[in-house]
Amino acid sequence: EIVLTQSPATLSLSPGERATLSCRASQGVGSTYLAWYQQNPGQAPRLLIYGASSRATGIPDRFSGTGSGTDFTLTISRLEPEDFAVYYCQQYGTSPWTFGQGTKVEIK
Amino acid sequence: EVELVQSGAEVKKPGESLKISCKGSGYSFTSYWIAWVRRVPGKGLEWMGLIYPGDSDTRYSPSFQGQVTISADKSIRTAYLQWGSLKASDTALYYCALPSGGYSTPFDYWGQGTLVTVSS
Repeated sequence: EIVLTQSPATLSLSPGERATLSCRASQGVGSTYLAWYQQNPGQAPRLLIYGASSRATGIPDRFSGTGSGTDFTLTISRLEPEDFAVYYCQQYGTSPWTFGQGTKVEIK
Repeated sequence: EVELVQSGAEVKKPGESLKISCKGSGYSFTSYWIAWVRRVPGKGLEWMGLIYPGDSDTRYSPSFQGQVTISADKSIRTAYLQWGSLKASDTALYYCALPSGGYSTPFDYWGQGTLVTVSS
């Protein structure tokens, strides 16, 4: 199975700062098949990015995704209070679909 | 509006059986896969498997094959996740999710989650 490794595990930043989250795959993932999700406490995950770089419906443009092959990045250009959450990457191109272990973005 | 509504929290003892549910509405239930995802604190999200209610085609992650059963009753628009004999390690939050674009697409709709606690 494809293992996704996210880094860092925790990112401590202030509102207004830029967040850069990494997701590295153990083998190549077609860029069409890489997604990012946000999960706030007590809520279900929310799809942010699919196809590595396409924003899901209703997602603000401060969220952007890049990458291909084995290295992918989620960038939040200016952190808003509601952005402090846990973020997961997922590949859905090769069964079993797999998720990264998550990156927690916390308030510094 | 697409909605997935899951059954309520469960507290069970090791060895007991359990079936939790996920009711879909606002879309053609038989035309889209429904997935199950587990969240264990400290371990993140794990994809368990998915089912196509139209013909009950079911796929499992190797990690969960033989450990759980995924099923669906299209007459009542409901998917199920069941265990024959629960273990303490099954304690987790379970989500159903819908990849509305088809089989190899991301999960753009999620249920609210069902907390399963297994403790003696």
